[in-house]
Amino acid sequence: DVKVTQSSRYLVKRTGEKVFLECVQDMDHENMFWYRQDPGLGLRLIYFSYDVKMKEKGDIPEGYSVSREKKERFSLILESASTNQTSMYLCASSSSEAGSTDTQYFGPGTRLTVL
Amino acid sequence: AQSVTQLGSHVSVSEGALVLLRCNYSSSVPPYLFWYVQYPNQGLQLLLKYTTGATLVKGINGFEAEFKKSETSFHLTKPSAHMSDAAEYFCAVSEGTEAGFQNLVFGTGTRLLVSP
Repeated sequence: DVKVTQSSRYLVKRTGEKVFLECVQDMDHENMFWYRQDPGLGLRLIYFSYDVKMKEKGDIPEGYSVSREKKERFSLILESASTNQTSMYLCASSSSEAGSTDTQYFGPGTRLTVL
Repeated sequence: AQSVTQLGSHVSVSEGALVLLRCNYSSSVPPYLFWYVQYPNQGLQLLLKYTTGATLVKGINGFEAEFKKSETSFHLTKPSAHMSDAAEYFCAVSEGTEAGFQNLVFGTGTRLLVSP
């Protein structure tokens, strides 16, 4: 089974702090994604990566950055946390192999509260 | 760009009743289609997916969905609801990016409530 793990289930930070959210997958997937989930808005894509050291902006990248130094790890960084970044953050991974059908596998999520 | 519409942010059924969660997408080209389920305080779990071939797709926990190209729909059904089905359900469609990669576009979700 694919396993995607996230470093924290719950996180409380203060406004202005630098926040790191870590995601690790164990299936050698090429693609990794960061979403935020808010009530009534569904999942919105923040950033994604299709290879090591490669990143692409999603729909809502403002206020976030990412890092992918190793294939299995994809980090989301909030340079200066703000209260409007209080949300559930979900990491996902998928394979680029032929026949993979774009299926994404999700981690358990990190619920971040910014005070 | 693709869009996914899930009719009804909340659906309430009684235990044993039919479950019907609606999903419509905007693509004119048959895409890959997915249903995911999210239990409280957990990540998303794949319920089922349509890629090619048979338009009626069976998933886990007794759920199934039918791809109807003429209606651009992919509604999720289960003949008899169980209390454990209470969760949030997301429909998603694959979309190609300008750079040639594939992402998923998600609907806003439908929360299924099951009463005894």
